[in-house]
Amino acid sequence: NAGVTQTPKFRILKIGQSMTLQCAQDMNHNYMYWYRQDPGMGLKLIYYSVGAGITDKGEVPNGYNVSRSTTEDFPLRLELAAPSQTSVYFCASSYNTGELFFGEGSRLTVL
Amino acid sequence: GENVEQHPSTLSVQEGDSAVIKCTYSDSASNYFPWYKQELGKRPQLIIDIRSNVGEKKDQRIAVTLNKTAKHFSLHITETQPEDSAVYFCAASIRRNDYKLSFGAGTTVTVRA
Repeated sequence: NAGVTQTPKFRILKIGQSMTLQCAQDMNHNYMYWYRQDPGMGLKLIYYSVGAGITDKGEVPNGYNVSRSTTEDFPLRLELAAPSQTSVYFCASSYNTGELFFGEGSRLTVL
Repeated sequence: GENVEQHPSTLSVQEGDSAVIKCTYSDSASNYFPWYKQELGKRPQLIIDIRSNVGEKKDQRIAVTLNKTAKHFSLHITETQPEDSAVYFCAASIRRNDYKLSFGAGTTVTVRA
């Protein structure tokens, strides 16, 4: 199993541009999450999904959107990128409750 | 919402000594408390977790204790080794939904040889 796969690993965006961070898992996990990690701030939950067709906001959802059309995929969309969205983004999945399996992360810089 | 505070933010220990990291949480309904380890440039990985019906849990050199009355939990690493150098994050479930976690800000542990 590949686990949780995120793309791209690195991206530089200009202010106002849009992009989608891709996330896929092959573990048949029903729960999926997007976190952002800023230096000294820990991990903040952006959005999560408890199953295909169901998504909900986390702690810091503003400026982002998600969709969950399949069990495997959970893309994160950034519309109108702002410097405050410069961060490392981690996608994660879990089977019901318990251990989160993280992807390798996507480092995004907005200039 | 849940607020998790983690201390200290940095910790330097001599190889072989013990390391202790403490976290406090605000929501008395929280019932799941995991600890994640993140090595430099890597993804976070679960090292140990505890649920609210248990006061202590051990796994080889690491242990977690939970005091629900005081709303705090701690990670204990004994006989530290250089490979224990990493950032450690505590987390607490948001209400009783243990699939939603609020993370502490992290503790950077450095083990000196």
